[in-house]
Amino acid sequence: DTAVSQTPKYLVTQMGNDKSIKCEQNLGHDTMYWYKQDSKKFLKIMFSYNNKELIINETVPNRFSPKSPDKAHLNLHINSLELGDSAVYFCASSQPRLGTSGTISSYNEQFFGPGTRLTVL
Amino acid sequence: KNQVEQSPQSLIILEGKNCTLQCNYTVSPFSNLRWYKQDTGRGPVSLTIMTFSENTKSNGRYTATLDADTKQSSLHITASQLSDSASYICVVITWEGGKLIFGQGTELSVKP
Repeated sequence: DTAVSQTPKYLVTQMGNDKSIKCEQNLGHDTMYWYKQDSKKFLKIMFSYNNKELIINETVPNRFSPKSPDKAHLNLHINSLELGDSAVYFCASSQPRLGTSGTISSYNEQFFGPGTRLTVL
Repeated sequence: KNQVEQSPQSLIILEGKNCTLQCNYTVSPFSNLRWYKQDTGRGPVSLTIMTFSENTKSNGRYTATLDADTKQSSLHITASQLSDSASYICVVITWEGGKLIFGQGTELSVKP
């Protein structure tokens, strides 16, 4: 009955490898996100997809490529892993609500997955 | 620059005591402010969401306040329990695409 799930929970790999992290949500939400939480605990958004379309792409190296096969899944593929990629990666989803003027409201609540701890050796 | 700063960085209190966590922000344009609780090894979970016009909001033993003029918020925890041990993160959302700006969190440890 998990709302937002991620696999794997832990990932240890060597520099230069390519790896993927999977995310699935069963909430019926249209929007999904990937966040990176560094060692100082700051959470920073990396990508956001709405109905399989990329809507936010922060200044993330192009070694990171999100893929959304359908609106319930948003996977993160990382090429040529570097030491600085070590962090906890969180997936989240939300259902944007319409504001009074018909625009997308910023009030939408995000539900986070349990995180994937990536360690690059 | 949009920033959210929290204090203290860490806090240790005895079970049953109250505590207050602070959040100052310089985010504009402001949409709403949220407090999240993040247990070790888990994703953040929303505690409260406050819009510009709301001064206070409660969720059980958690009470959040917001002063939009001074751009400050606080989270007060009453009668703390061991299960309150977690990181508490203040998040401010902008109107520009609903972007979330996260604080670095306050690490709360409740001891018996």
